[in-house]
Amino acid sequence: QLQLQESGSRLVKPSQTLSLTCDVSGGSISSGGYSWTWIRQSPGKGLEWIGYIYNGGITDYNPSLKSRVTISMDRSKNQFSLELTSVTGADTAVYYCARAGDYIYFEYWGQGTLVTISS
Amino acid sequence: EIVMTQSPATLSVSPGERVTLSCRASQSVSRNLAWYQQKPGQAPRLLIYGASTRATGIPARFSGSGSGTEFTLTISSLQSEDFAVYYCQEYNNWPRPVFTFGPGTTVDIK
Repeated sequence: QLQLQESGSRLVKPSQTLSLTCDVSGGSISSGGYSWTWIRQSPGKGLEWIGYIYNGGITDYNPSLKSRVTISMDRSKNQFSLELTSVTGADTAVYYCARAGDYIYFEYWGQGTLVTISS
Repeated sequence: EIVMTQSPATLSVSPGERVTLSCRASQSVSRNLAWYQQKPGQAPRLLIYGASTRATGIPARFSGSGSGTEFTLTISSLQSEDFAVYYCQEYNNWPRPVFTFGPGTTVDIK
């Protein structure tokens, strides 16, 4: 059974960079045909797709976040990561990692991690 | 960007009742529509994809229908564990990859 687990900084100061990692177990991120995804959920904006990485390194990002987002993967550690720069209070949210297939719906999710942007 | 809307925002229901939730897309998404269930403190759980295909392990009381811009999730006989928030999500990937979720419908106890 595939499992995903988010980790990283839970409190980030405004204007700094949010960094999260998703550890994948029960399957390999090197397996073809999957999109390794970050999604966030805040009271104000609901569920928001941030972006994904697939085919070993191709990325697509939500245009609303594209200038600030980088998603990368580390095959040796079987994990993928999110960096979001120049954060503000609007970036406070629960961040989820998830997996999609060729069609981008999300069957596997991490438990989510709350990241708070505050000085 | 495709905008997803859901109605009603909240639905108060008694156990055993039939429940129908609606999801509308601002433009056609064909049948590229998924439904999720979320309980407090948990990640969303995939219920339906392809507008009408149940995900692995999802009980038969959950069914989806629709295509284009109008979609419905039906719970034939609501169980106590079904009180939750339900979200729809389009994955049409057109005109560009932005995968949007609806705002959700809360199903609570009457």
